[in-house]
Amino acid sequence: LAKTTQPISMDSYEGQEVNITCSHNNIATNDYITWYQQFPSQGPRFIIQGYKTKVTNEVASLFIPADRKSSTLSLPRVSLSDTAVYYCLVGDLTGGGNKLTFGTGTQLKVEL
Amino acid sequence: SAVISQKPSRDICQRGTSLTIQCQVDSQVTMMFWYRQQPGQSLTLIATANQGSEATYESGFVIDKFPISRPNLTFSTLTVSNMSPEDSSIYLCSVESSGRTNEQFFGPGTRLTVL
Repeated sequence: LAKTTQPISMDSYEGQEVNITCSHNNIATNDYITWYQQFPSQGPRFIIQGYKTKVTNEVASLFIPADRKSSTLSLPRVSLSDTAVYYCLVGDLTGGGNKLTFGTGTQLKVEL
Repeated sequence: SAVISQKPSRDICQRGTSLTIQCQVDSQVTMMFWYRQQPGQSLTLIATANQGSEATYESGFVIDKFPISRPNLTFSTLTVSNMSPEDSSIYLCSVESSGRTNEQFFGPGTRLTVL
């Protein structure tokens, strides 16, 4: 079972780039790495997903090194509305969903 | 995307009672998942609910404590049985996206407080 750890919190200012790293030393061959954003009193919301190398979408980039034992979510030019908890999730839904492991979560606080 | 609703949104219950949480999806989905999120903590997968078969429980969760029903492809229930204050958590259901592998859509959660 992949144990995933993240920094507890990070602070940033509007307009800066934020990088949040997740450590998952025991990732399995079939596991994907997915990042979610969660606001208070809401369910998590999908941000980005990858298997290896780099993935970019309209809101973020995800960097995964060759050994896949860590991943880094990159948020360019954050704004106040990006203040939330960010979770990485390691696992493979196609395998039936078992052994899905959420990271410990990173509280990002963005200030003016 | 899928729109997911949960009922109730919150509840306060007495020790020893049971609560059934409903999860409704606006489209047919194969897999539904139930998570627990204790205050200030990350999400922990309780079980995977597939239509037409028994739910698959993760380590540390048992059917007697968290019975799950999945009568059709748009609906599931999770019951928290014989509750104790340690069961106070947010319970969330999720479904797998039909458009992107390994993406989940989450419901808003049910906040349960056990006195």
